[in-house]
Amino acid sequence: QKEVEQNSGPLSVPEGAIASLNCTYSDRGSQSFFWYRQYSGKSPELIMFIYSNGDKEDGRFTAQLNKASQYVSLLIRDSQPSDSATYLCAVNRGYSTLTFGKGTMLLVSP
Amino acid sequence: DAGVIQSPRHEVTEMGQEVTLRCKPISGHDYLFWYRQTMMRGLELLIYFNNNVPIDDSGMPEDRFSAKMPNASFSTLKIQPSEPRDSAVYFCASSSGLTFVMNTEAFFGQGTRLTVV
Repeated sequence: QKEVEQNSGPLSVPEGAIASLNCTYSDRGSQSFFWYRQYSGKSPELIMFIYSNGDKEDGRFTAQLNKASQYVSLLIRDSQPSDSATYLCAVNRGYSTLTFGKGTMLLVSP
Repeated sequence: DAGVIQSPRHEVTEMGQEVTLRCKPISGHDYLFWYRQTMMRGLELLIYFNNNVPIDDSGMPEDRFSAKMPNASFSTLKIQPSEPRDSAVYFCASSSGLTFVMNTEAFFGQGTRLTVV
């Protein structure tokens, strides 16, 4: 059973702080890892993806991957109230479709 | 392009009735995905098509669910008969490659919120 686990939250951080969102996965064969953001009542939208161990930065977002620990995280620097949303972690194994976690709700307070 | 278009946005129906959800993918995308999202189970893939052909329907929960893609610009997901446990948000997504491995992004429609009473 391929599983992707996330803490449901909510994770509450003050504006300007760093938000750290975590995800673990059970399938050691997973190769690609994705973070989606979903605002309440809206559809998921891709924030970033990562394939290799280490960090990948895109603006205020940094994805971190540790395949040995089967762990992927998303850091949001200088968090803004507009970042308040549910963040979905997703993984896939080669040429296959995505398995999503249930998401972590992030609340950024002004 | 207007993006992936789903209809209706909201559907309330009585148990036992037939429900049909519709999706128009982004023009030129040859992959189409149907997902279901609930609080309990999160976002689950039900079925996906490549060039209008169903490739994997292992996520379809029961025979009550069926999906078709008669042409490149239209797909339907049908539930007959509907049950209260089918209540969820159903998303359609399309992409120009097999999801993300080929470095392509799948774009989601706004979803259909289905309530079966």
